[in-house]
Amino acid sequence: EAQVTQNPRYLITVTGKKLTVTCSQNMNHEYMSWYRQDPGLGLRQIYYSMNVEVTDKGDVPEGYKVSRKEKRNFPLILESPSPNQTSLYFCASTMTNSPLAEAFFGQGTRLTVV
Amino acid sequence: DQQVKQNSPSLSVQEGRISILNCDYTNSMFDYFLWYKKYPAEGPTFLISISSIKDKNEDGRFTVFLNKSAKHLSLHIVPSQPGDSAVYFCAASEASGTYKYIFGTGTRLKVLA
Repeated sequence: EAQVTQNPRYLITVTGKKLTVTCSQNMNHEYMSWYRQDPGLGLRQIYYSMNVEVTDKGDVPEGYKVSRKEKRNFPLILESPSPNQTSLYFCASTMTNSPLAEAFFGQGTRLTVV
Repeated sequence: DQQVKQNSPSLSVQEGRISILNCDYTNSMFDYFLWYKKYPAEGPTFLISISSIKDKNEDGRFTVFLNKSAKHLSLHIVPSQPGDSAVYFCAASEASGTYKYIFGTGTRLKVLA
C-alpha cells in the first residue's frame, strides 16, 4: 500500500531534549516536505526537499533541521525543543516537481513540549 | 502576514445543496492553487488543483474557480454529502519546481443530513 509513515504518532517531551520525528515513503517520490498545523494558522511549511541531499527552508524553519540522505526518508530534527514547537506535524511526499501535483500526507505527529 | 486567507472558519450546508468555500490571496506571483481536505486524526488529502492559465477546473462533484484579477478562488461541491464534512485548505505556490506552498487557515465544512 502506497503510504507516508510518520513516527511517533504522539510524543511528549521536555524543553531542550533533542528529538527526531521520522518520515518514510514507499512511493519512490522525489519531493518531500514537513508542515506544522496550529489552530488559527492552518498548515505552515517548515522544510522541503527536492531530492537526496537537496533541502530548502519553507515558511517557518527556525528551530528545525532536516536531512535527506536517502530518497525514502526525511526526518525532522528538533535540536532543542521549546514549548512553542508544540504542534501537529505532517510529512508529505510528491512524485513530480509539478506545482499542481498531489501531495500525499502522513497521519501526523502530535508533539507536546513541556 | 497571511498571504492566503480563508475568511470563513466554518460553514454548514444541507445535504444535496451546494457548498462554496472561498480563498483569497495577496501575492500576485501565485500561479498554482490546490485544495486539500482533512478529516480528524488523518493527514490532508488532495482534492483538486488549478493553474492561473485556467479559470475553472472540474473533477466530479468538485469544481474550482479562479478569478486572478480579484485574487480569489472558490471550491464548489455539488451536491454536498455528509461524507464531505471535513476541514478544507487551499494552498498556493509561486513557481514551478520550488515546491514551496502557502496554505490558508482552513474552513470547517459541516454537511447536515
